[in-house]
Amino acid sequence: GAVVSQHPSWVICKSGTSVKIECRSLDFQATTMFWYRQFPKQSLMLMATSNEGSKATYEQGVEKDKFLINHASLTLSTLTVTSAHPEDSSFYICSALLRLTVDEQFFGPGTRLTVL
Amino acid sequence: SQQGEEDPQALSIQEGENATMNCSYKTSINNLQWYRQNSGRGLVHLILIRSNEREKHSGRLRVTLDTSKKSSSLLITASRAADTASYFCATDATKGSSNTGKLIFGQGTTLQVKP
Repeated sequence: GAVVSQHPSWVICKSGTSVKIECRSLDFQATTMFWYRQFPKQSLMLMATSNEGSKATYEQGVEKDKFLINHASLTLSTLTVTSAHPEDSSFYICSALLRLTVDEQFFGPGTRLTVL
Repeated sequence: SQQGEEDPQALSIQEGENATMNCSYKTSINNLQWYRQNSGRGLVHLILIRSNEREKHSGRLRVTLDTSKKSSSLLITASRAADTASYFCATDATKGSSNTGKLIFGQGTTLQVKP
């Protein structure tokens, strides 16, 4: 199957700093990528849809100024958590959409963010 | 919320036994998928079943879909300790006639298989 990478795999930062997470589709081009957040022992919650060359579409309740998404190329989307606070600590997972006869999302391995 | 319900939330069985997990959803779908997630890791795609299919097999996995009841089940036969993980169902989130590509995940079932 197709491969999606995320970088970094984990990050620890101080409160108030910004953190950038990269999501790359390694062997296919993805005009659409998705960003999810997962708290411990919970399911994945979709945060936003990242569209190459246009603005991201955010889900209800997700602050677009807090979670900046940039999808500058067909293989790279970035999520920047601005002015991070401890409540932003979570597991962030991206996926890239491959549209063939059936849409299939390929998931990255996730990024563990801990804000001190 | 469009998120589906999964039951049980947690399941503990002995190696060799079968494990059944159920998923219910709320909206019309084009397909339903099952994923596995080992602790602290990304998701692994297990199987996709289309809305016009009732049952699908893949190795030790058997998935059923009942669109009239808006429910699906995942059966893992002859379980192994390595099957220990969380299992999630996910449905595509259609919006009118357009397919957004979004997935809506169920709450998940945590499966523990004891050796």
